[in-house]
Amino acid sequence: AQSVSQHNHHVILSEAASLELGCNYSYGGTVNLFWYVQYPGQHLQLLLKYFSGDPLVKGIKGFEAEFIKSKFSFNLRKPSVQWSDTAEYFCAVNAGGATNKLIFGTGTLLAVQP
Amino acid sequence: DGGITQSPKYLFRKEGQNVTLSCEQNLNHDAMYWYRQDPGQGLRLIYYSQIVNDFQKGDIAEGYSVSREKKESFPLTVTSAQKNPTAFYLCASSMGQGWGYTFGSGTRLTVV
Repeated sequence: AQSVSQHNHHVILSEAASLELGCNYSYGGTVNLFWYVQYPGQHLQLLLKYFSGDPLVKGIKGFEAEFIKSKFSFNLRKPSVQWSDTAEYFCAVNAGGATNKLIFGTGTLLAVQP
Repeated sequence: DGGITQSPKYLFRKEGQNVTLSCEQNLNHDAMYWYRQDPGQGLRLIYYSQIVNDFQKGDIAEGYSVSREKKESFPLTVTSAQKNPTAFYLCASSMGQGWGYTFGSGTRLTVV
């Protein structure tokens, strides 16, 4: 069965620090990859997505992610975090087929200290 | 504005009672989904529907039921058979294969 692993459950950073959140998936075929963010008290929002083409994907609010097929990874990065980036981040994979089901990771809770 | 509306935001029920969570979308999306979110477990798929009058079980469908009589609506019933119903429930919709989801704001169900 397909699965998604997010190894960092809690991350605490100071403002201006660089961020990298890990995401690995288990599926050997074509995948669509997503990062969602959930700010405190708000609904899940799409940060960025990868379908095909350039493996370096840029999203909203200065986030980017790199798809490395050989490592089955789709890590999220941001060069300099802000206090407002405090949120929970979810990686998700759609392994194709007709159903468009998204498989989500367990999430990473990021706390940015001012 | 187009979007997904989940109601109510908070719901309290006594153990042994069935409860129905509402999800309505005006995005004209064919596909709709119900997820359950628990701390440290991410989002787990309960049921999904790709088209009106059709739906499939997700990974944790036991104790839940759904209907899809209209394109706009995908209500979820949490039955008394669900052993651990207290959770945050998220509804989502999608244009179809390869597209991401639009999520509602969720319903927090507490069973006492």
